[in-house]
Amino acid sequence: AQTVTQSQPEMSVQEAETVTLSCTYDTSESDYYLFWYKQPPSRQMILVIRQEAYKQQNATENRFSVNFQKAAKSFSLKISDSQLGDAAMYFCAYNGDDKIIFGKGTRLHILP
Amino acid sequence: DGGITQSPKYLFRKEGQNVTLSCEQNLNHDAMYWYRQDPGQGLRLIYYSQIVNDFQKGDIAEGYSVSREKKESFPLTVTSAQKNPTAFYLCASSIGSFRMNTEAFFGQGTRLTVV
Repeated sequence: AQTVTQSQPEMSVQEAETVTLSCTYDTSESDYYLFWYKQPPSRQMILVIRQEAYKQQNATENRFSVNFQKAAKSFSLKISDSQLGDAAMYFCAYNGDDKIIFGKGTRLHILP
Repeated sequence: DGGITQSPKYLFRKEGQNVTLSCEQNLNHDAMYWYRQDPGQGLRLIYYSQIVNDFQKGDIAEGYSVSREKKESFPLTVTSAQKNPTAFYLCASSIGSFRMNTEAFFGQGTRLTVV
């Protein structure tokens, strides 16, 4: 069965600094998608970035980028120039086969 | 506007009563999902459906039931058999096949409190 593991329950970063959130997953599939979602205090889930497994190039969306290591089954999220609005829960998600599964999340605190 | 609507936002029920959470989408998505969110547990999959009149159990289906009679609707019933039903429930939908690069779109959630 597929699993998604986020080993950092909480992290803190100084405003304007860079932070990396870790995610590992387990699957026997070769074709799948990975996502990072943000959940602010409103609890609305917001898609941050997506990565297609068959693409070697790491995805980038403005200040957000990923480090996708397919062989290691690792999918980390890097947030550059952290802003106060980045404070939220971040969930890593795997989409393969017929369902989408999520990790337990990392709560990110931004220190002013 | 296209999207997913969950209702109500807050729901209170007495212990032993069944309760149904509503989820409607007008995105024309084939797949729909129900997740339960508890502190420190992330999003755990309860049930999912890839097509009308068909659905599968997720990781924590015990004490829950669903139906998928219409493409746009996927209601979740929390039965009295669910031992700890107080939680935040999220409904989501996606286009369908993961090969279509389909992320999940979420509703605003329902906070269920059983007293």
